[in-house]
Amino acid sequence: GENVEQHPSTLSVQEGDSAVIKCTYSDSASNYFPWYKQELGKRPQLIIDIRSNVGEKKDQRIAVTLNKTAKHFSLHITETQPEDSAVYFCAASITDKLIFGTGTRLQVFP
Amino acid sequence: EPEVTQTPSHQVTQMGQEVILRCVPISNHLYFYWYRQILGQKVEFLVSFYNNEISEKSEIFDDQFSVERPDGSNFTLKIRSTKLEDSAMYFCASSDAPKNIQYFGAGTRLSVL
Repeated sequence: GENVEQHPSTLSVQEGDSAVIKCTYSDSASNYFPWYKQELGKRPQLIIDIRSNVGEKKDQRIAVTLNKTAKHFSLHITETQPEDSAVYFCAASITDKLIFGTGTRLQVFP
Repeated sequence: EPEVTQTPSHQVTQMGQEVILRCVPISNHLYFYWYRQILGQKVEFLVSFYNNEISEKSEIFDDQFSVERPDGSNFTLKIRSTKLEDSAMYFCASSDAPKNIQYFGAGTRLSVL
């Protein structure tokens, strides 16, 4: 079945540094790739998404890249701030259902 | 900004009891979803719903689970006979079109004792 692998499981960075989280999906038919941020005890919130007809998308300090050939997509956060600390989930979908990765706990130290 | 709302925020039940988790999707959305997240694990898809019927369901969504849109605003998930392993956070989500952004509610934490 469809599967999404996500690495690393934890990531600690100094404030101002960049953070990169990588995901790999199994089904080449996947065509929608959202990223969600989940703060402790709160709902997952979409931070950026990309569709398979685009290779890169940027929104201020956040960018996502997609390599369809390798079935990889990555989240890049530049100039990290303490409020970026959260668990980040990637997801992939072919139909409506989102298949989530296992999550990355990002800690940004001041 | 419109939000998906879920009630209750926390539900405690005894094993074998029935529970109903309630969701009010964003008002102009037509596509509804339930996901669950066992503590410390990833979010897992349960079911998608459109036009008063299930569009897709996962292996987790067995005969113990059912969904319903009882009126124009609510979307419910029923678990007929809860098991200990049903303990999880259950998220409702809605979308205005297929494969568009899914907005998540704050979740209902279900604790089965």
